[in-house]
Amino acid sequence: QVHLVESGGGVVQPGRSLRLSCAASGFTFNSFAMHWVRQAPGKGLEWVAAISYDETNEYYAHSVKGRFTISRDNSRDTLHLQMNSLRAEDTAVYYCARGSLLVPADGPWGQGTLVTVSS
Amino acid sequence: QTVVTQEPSFSVSPGGTVTLTCGLSPGSVSPSYYPSWYQQTPGQAPRTLIYSTNTRSSGVPDRFSGSILGNKAALTITGAQADDESDYYCVLYMGSGTWVFGGGTKLTVL
Repeated sequence: QVHLVESGGGVVQPGRSLRLSCAASGFTFNSFAMHWVRQAPGKGLEWVAAISYDETNEYYAHSVKGRFTISRDNSRDTLHLQMNSLRAEDTAVYYCARGSLLVPADGPWGQGTLVTVSS
Repeated sequence: QTVVTQEPSFSVSPGGTVTLTCGLSPGSVSPSYYPSWYQQTPGQAPRTLIYSTNTRSSGVPDRFSGSILGNKAALTITGAQADDESDYYCVLYMGSGTWVFGGGTKLTVL
């Protein structure tokens, strides 16, 4: 069955960087687009970024464009999110999800990894 | 700025039917927005219910259904159960590789 496991979260100071990873299993990773979605404490879901199955297309929310980079390693069935110039408002649980370039998630989500940006 | 709208809260009686909606301000939702619906209970990751308007995700019971009603996307839950008490989020594809979530609906079953 589809299984997604995020890692890499933690506490980081404003302006610093962090790299999240999402290990995928149970499906043909290189056939699906992947997305990152985040949820600030006590708030709703916010779409963050997406990448096509073959890495040729990347898409970003306005709030993270120019600071975050989504990437994938199809040889290792792993999705990444490089987060630079972090701000307090980036504090959230970050989820990865398998989807398409039309929907962010068509099945199970990962359990999420918490990123806290604080001095 | 385009906003995806959802009812902030809704209640349903056990065994009852409830329809949650997902609108666009300004504008109307059509299948070309590929509306999807996700369920989330506190402290848990979201669960995919419906994507592309009316396709149920694997393992989702058929008492959850998606549609377009008028100018909005809709999620209908029939035979509501206690464990349906959750937050429900819709998301719309806005084109050009951007997706926008609604603010979520808190569903109470009582």
